[in-house]
Amino acid sequence: GDSVTQMEGPVTLSEEAFLTINCTYTATGYPSLFWYVQYPGEGLQLLLKATKADDKGSNKGFEATYRKETTSFHLEKGSVQVSDSAVYFCALRCVSTFGDGTTLTVKP
Amino acid sequence: EPEVTQTPSHQVTQMGQEVILRCVPISNHLYFYWYRQILGQKVEFLVSFYNNEISEKSEIFDDQFSVERPDGSNFTLKIRSTKLEDSAMYFCASRYDMGGMPDTQYFGPGTRLTVL
Repeated sequence: GDSVTQMEGPVTLSEEAFLTINCTYTATGYPSLFWYVQYPGEGLQLLLKATKADDKGSNKGFEATYRKETTSFHLEKGSVQVSDSAVYFCALRCVSTFGDGTTLTVKP
Repeated sequence: EPEVTQTPSHQVTQMGQEVILRCVPISNHLYFYWYRQILGQKVEFLVSFYNNEISEKSEIFDDQFSVERPDGSNFTLKIRSTKLEDSAMYFCASRYDMGGMPDTQYFGPGTRLTVL
């Protein structure tokens, strides 16, 4: 069955540092891939998505590229802000299979 | 921008009681979902609903759970006899139908259920 393996957290960075959160998946076919963000006390928000190989999803300075050859969808941001502190979930397909979540804390 | 809404935001109940969690999906969406997130853990799929019937459900969604779309706007999750381990955040989601193309689920803010 489908599964998502996400980088273990928590991750603590200083403001303006480079962020990478790794995500790899196991699935049949060519699933759509998603990153969701959950800010403290709030629900899930779609951050970005990609629907086919080599697609790059981007939003709010975050990017992730659908790599079929490595079955990966790593989340990156060049310069994080304190306001990016949240839990990030990698997910698979429309009826989503979620990763465990990675808690990011950005310190000023 | 249209959004998914959920009520109540927090529900406290005694073990063994029935609870109904309510969701209002985005109005032109056709697919509806419930997920749960136990505190500090991953988001888990419970059930999907399309064309007035369950289209898929997980092992978590046992006979204690049921879903209903009682009218044209609400989508409810009922837990018949709550257990302590049902304490979690419950998220509703909906999506449009792009004719088989991958599409985005829109999530509500969640209902925090606390079973005492």
